[in-house]
Amino acid sequence: AQTVTQSQPEMSVQEAETVTLSCTYDTSENNYYLFWYKQPPSRQMILVIRQEAYKQQNATENRFSVNFQKAAKSFSLKISDSQLGDTAMYFCAFILMDSNYQLIWGAGTKLIIKP
Amino acid sequence: NAGVMQNPRHLVRRRGQEARLRCSPMKGHSHVYWYRQLPEEGLKFMVYLQKENIIDESGMPKERFSAEFPKEGPSILRIQQVVRGDSAAYFCASSRRGTDNSPLHFGNGTRLTVT
Repeated sequence: AQTVTQSQPEMSVQEAETVTLSCTYDTSENNYYLFWYKQPPSRQMILVIRQEAYKQQNATENRFSVNFQKAAKSFSLKISDSQLGDTAMYFCAFILMDSNYQLIWGAGTKLIIKP
Repeated sequence: NAGVMQNPRHLVRRRGQEARLRCSPMKGHSHVYWYRQLPEEGLKFMVYLQKENIIDESGMPKERFSAEFPKEGPSILRIQQVVRGDSAAYFCASSRRGTDNSPLHFGNGTRLTVT
């Protein structure tokens, strides 16, 4: 069975600091996509970053980057120069390449950026 | 281009009543997915629909829950005879095609409270 584990229920850092959210997953498949989604208080789900498992290069989107370790099945999210607007729930998820609807989600990490 | 629209944002029902949740996908999207978010958990897949067809309802409870996506109008998630355990946030997502592995676009969700 596919699973995603986010071991940090809540994290808190000062504005402008760098923070890393951890995510591990388990699957016997070889081809999949990994995602980090952000859920602010508005409850909208916003795609933060996406990584194809067949790509060795870590994905980056402005202040957001991932550390993808396929052998270790680890997919951590690094937020640099954190901002108050980064305060939100962050969900790690993956999806098998032969299906784009069975998203397997972690339980989320609540990130609080303090001024 | 409007995003995925869900309404109502908040819905309160007494035990035994019916809840109807609506989702209008993004323009040009014909694939709709419903997810349920329970407190402190990630999103759980419920059902995947295309216009007038249910593709996969493996995540939806067999009783009291139904979903439709008619040729015209929004997708509807219907919960009959609601119970307290149905209280959750229900998210809808849409995509243009079902096989291109594009990230899903999510709505703001409907928070259902059963009293």
